[in-house]
Amino acid sequence: DGGITQSPKYLFRKEGQNVTLSCEQNLNHDAMYWYRQDPGQGLRLIYYSQIVNDFQKGDIAEGYSVSREKKESFPLTVTSAQKNPTAFYLCASSTRGLGGSYNSPLHFGNGTRLTVT
Amino acid sequence: KNEVEQSPQNLTAQEGEFITINCSYSVGISALHWLQQHPGGGIVSLFMLSSGKKKHGRLVATINIQEKHSSLHITASHPRDSAVYICAVLVSSGSARQLTFGSGTQLTVLP
Repeated sequence: DGGITQSPKYLFRKEGQNVTLSCEQNLNHDAMYWYRQDPGQGLRLIYYSQIVNDFQKGDIAEGYSVSREKKESFPLTVTSAQKNPTAFYLCASSTRGLGGSYNSPLHFGNGTRLTVT
Repeated sequence: KNEVEQSPQNLTAQEGEFITINCSYSVGISALHWLQQHPGGGIVSLFMLSSGKKKHGRLVATINIQEKHSSLHITASHPRDSAVYICAVLVSSGSARQLTFGSGTQLTVLP
């Protein structure tokens, strides 16, 4: 079955360490996204990529970095510069980016819960 | 003020009840999504609509563009419907488009 795989489901890190969250999709989707979810708030866009080797900052990109070397993979690195990294991180994909047709539902992974102490 | 407001924030219902979740937005949009987030955190897309009404099984989503309002209805609710329901609007700004998410409605259906 096609889908999006995020790993690991739970991640614990010490403050000051960089950590990379994995996101892999086998849906042959062009666009991929990283969102952050905090209690009581809507999802917020960190980074997105509409095509391989290209990505754009979202609303809260500071302290994060991404790469898109393969269509299937869009890893997110949470760096030590991120002031409040503890959160639930969701990866998503769609057949086209938001800049294309709106008629493109989002597919989400099951998320990674990151705790930094 | 949030661009997307959902109500209620929390909703508890008895199995079998008819449920309505509301979403209001303050900007012009291209489309609106309804999403379902399960207790484990995974999110499933339920509907994407830009006008009128869409139906899938016991779920119906409606949108009124003039009033900037959408509703999600669940008929004959069941405990397995317990989840967070999220409204998201697709906003166009020039050539760019962005999804803005509501904070969600926590639905609990009791047996």
